[in-house]
Amino acid sequence: QSALTQPASVSGSPGQSITISCTGTNSDVGGYNYVSWYQQHPGKVPKLMIFDVSNRPSGVSNRFSGSKSGNTASLTISGLQAEDEADYYCSSFIFSSTPAIFGGGTKVTVL
Amino acid sequence: QVQLEESGGGVVQPGRSLRLSCAASGFTFSNYAMHWVRQAPGKGLEWVAVTWCDGNNKYYADSVKGRFTISRDNSKNTLYLQMNSLRAEDTALYYCAKDGYSCGPHWYSDLWGRGTLVTVSS
Repeated sequence: QSALTQPASVSGSPGQSITISCTGTNSDVGGYNYVSWYQQHPGKVPKLMIFDVSNRPSGVSNRFSGSKSGNTASLTISGLQAEDEADYYCSSFIFSSTPAIFGGGTKVTVL
Repeated sequence: QVQLEESGGGVVQPGRSLRLSCAASGFTFSNYAMHWVRQAPGKGLEWVAVTWCDGNNKYYADSVKGRFTISRDNSKNTLYLQMNSLRAEDTALYYCAKDGYSCGPHWYSDLWGRGTLVTVSS
């Protein structure tokens, strides 16, 4: 199965809000609330930002929020800061022979 | 402190085997499902395999099914990935990752190791 579909890049100015989409099917994103989001800075380990569609782990800024509508999940970063510049990946359970899948990743640039 | 540390990576010829290990500390390893995730150089994340906390249930990505085996030794707080019949496309940084929920996976990882690099090349 193909990866979840994310835009290759999203950019915004400091203080602005941006939204990253993650589009799948009703076999993954649309069918289950097992969507998570990860932030990865260059050369660094992925960091969990959102789990179960909209839950934020302790220690993650409340500027990060997650949601889902139909087969598309979204990660919104509000009050964009320079430190938010990184790659972001969505992930979901998928009812398939391969039960987990990542999106292709989105590079966030802070202008 | 809570951490995962992978080891066992290296350069290996196509068709050969390699076993990765992941040592866990700072949490009750036997209570959590564990994943392997890989990242080819300059590419995105790819989920590889998962094992339930007791090792009784295991699932794999189609790309590695029949070649890779995930296992764990809860008495040693260690996760393994046996990789056989390696191919050039298996070249990647391999992360072990703790599931964030419980014995059965909830399909998200709240703790990652730093990864171990596997290079498959003749």
